[in-house]
Amino acid sequence: DTGVSQDPRHKITKRGQNVTFRCDPISEHNRLYWYRQTLGQGPEFLTYFQNEAQLEKSRLLSDRFSAERPKGSFSTLEIQRTEQGDSAMYLCASSFGDSDYNEKLFFGSGTQLSVL
Amino acid sequence: GQSLEQPSEVTAVEGAIVQINCTYQTSGFYGLSWYQQHDGGAPTFLSYNALDGLEETGRFSSFLSRSDSYGYLLLQELQMKDSASYFCAVRDSNYQLIWGAGTKLIIKP
Repeated sequence: DTGVSQDPRHKITKRGQNVTFRCDPISEHNRLYWYRQTLGQGPEFLTYFQNEAQLEKSRLLSDRFSAERPKGSFSTLEIQRTEQGDSAMYLCASSFGDSDYNEKLFFGSGTQLSVL
Repeated sequence: GQSLEQPSEVTAVEGAIVQINCTYQTSGFYGLSWYQQHDGGAPTFLSYNALDGLEETGRFSSFLSRSDSYGYLLLQELQMKDSASYFCAVRDSNYQLIWGAGTKLIIKP
């Protein structure tokens, strides 16, 4: 078990460019989450997959953000036409969702995005 | 709106006991979780309370009072490696986790 891995660890881009992040969850986990975290704040929910189905997306999420999880394995998060306000740590988490309540999330180390 | 309140920073001495409080106001409640995050690291799960009372896991304990919308994380026999940020998170009526802003725990020798 290698844990949740995210790639890249750091991304610097210019405003207006598109970026894509990848997350590889723990292999037997059926649920995958994307969060965004800024300095001094807790993680903010972006979207959630159960297997390959995207079940929920934050209402705060701009339509510039899109996520996929083909075949229910790895996931990608794409941000189009990046803005400086998109600068944050993007965290991926996975879980074996046998319970809606006591669900233990395993987080990756995140992708730090800086938009210049 | 939904909110979780926790102190922004707590300072304690190595070997001592510290309590980090969390009060919440959410639409629905399906449990209170605690996560630890070291600087530059990923959040890691510490504990979960669905019912009132104290849950103990080694040096860490977590308490919940649903009637008071309140919980706390208790860390005993503090070690320097416990220096980190601690987040409380509540699972709301949409089964999503709502997170507090985190408490930075500073431990002095």
